[in-house]
Parts: sequence; C-alpha cells; structure tokens
Amino acid sequence: DTAVSQTPKYLVTQMGNDKSIKCEQNLGHDTMYWYKQDSKKFLKIMFSYNNKELIINETVPNRFSPKSPDKAHLNLHINSLELGDSAVYFCASSLRREQFFGPGTRLTVL
Amino acid sequence: GIQVEQSPPDLILQEGANSTLRCNFSDSVNNLQWFHQNPWGQLINLFYIPSGTKQNGRLSATTVATERYSLLYISSSQTTDSGVYFCAVGPNQAGTALIFGKGTTLSVSS
Repeated sequence: DTAVSQTPKYLVTQMGNDKSIKCEQNLGHDTMYWYKQDSKKFLKIMFSYNNKELIINETVPNRFSPKSPDKAHLNLHINSLELGDSAVYFCASSLRREQFFGPGTRLTVL
Repeated sequence: GIQVEQSPPDLILQEGANSTLRCNFSDSVNNLQWFHQNPWGQLINLFYIPSGTKQNGRLSATTVATERYSLLYISSSQTTDSGVYFCAVGPNQAGTALIFGKGTTLSVSS
C-alpha cells in the first residue's frame, strides 16, 4: 500500500526518558513534516524537511530533534520527556502542496 | 501569520440531514485542504481545493479565494460522518506548513 506510516502507534513512557518515533513514506514525495496535536485537538507544525534539509523549525524545545536519513524517512527523537509532551504526533508528506498524513503516534508521558 | 477560523465549532445532526461547514482565512493562500479526523484519530484527506468547486460522493467543497473562505457541504449525513472536520491552509509556496483551524466537531445520530 502506498502511504505514510508511523511507528509506534502508541508510546507510554516515564518522564525523563528519551524516545523516538519513526516515519516512512513510499509516495515518492520530497517534503516531510511533523505536526503535534494537543489535548484540545489543535494541530500545529513542528518541523519540515525538503530533500533531507530542514526548512521549517517552529518554536519547539531543542529536546526535539528531527532526523532525515533519506527522502523517504523522517524520524523524531525526543530527549528528557516531560508531562507536557503528551500529545498525538503526526507525520506528513507532500510533493507539491497537497499533504498526506500518517496514522499518528499517541505519546503518553507518566 | 495566517489566521484560520472554522464555524460552527460543534454540530449535531440526525442521520439524513445536510450541513455546511465554513472556513475563513485571513490572507492569500495557494493550498487549502479539508480533512476528516475519524473517531480513531486518523486524518483523512477530503479535498485539496485552493480554489473552485469539487465533489466526491455526498461531499462537496467550494473555495472562493478572492473572498478568503471555503465551504464543505455534507449531504444525507451518516453516522460514519461523525468526527472532527479540519480546514488547513498554506502560503504561496510548495513545501510550507499547513495552518490548521480549530475544527468543527460533527456528531451524527441514527
């Protein structure tokens, strides 16, 4: 199936831990994104990568670090997790303007 | 930055009813997308519609870019239409982030 996929779907962890979320797209797109959806369902851009280069980095704590090993993958690494990081994280990709989203990763920090 | 306002915030319908959801945005855009977030949290692409009118089954959308609004029409609603409908816009270049509205929560009862 052609799609944007994310792993894991659910992530439950303790405060202070470090975790990663992986994203892969097989749509042949050259731009990938990370969005965060908070508890009120508001969606906001975190990062955008085009051809493995960072092009958008919104006001996000530097505990969050995106890594793009190639055009098809964009991973999100989070250090020293805090309670406020609990949210749903969505990966997306685009070729021109229309963006397609992955299924989301629900992160719960205890 | 661009502001996106959606109305109404909540909508309750009986199965079979029709509805219109509105999205107003504050500046010129070259990307406008409508999404449905189903009860399982998936973001489903409904329309990529920076201007003009499109139809897909019981759903249709119209964007009047010069007047900075878009409308999503749902006809003969079904319980599976329940969820949150998001409008998202992007500025005038490819690869830029989507700015999301706060969504309209639709509940359709049988």
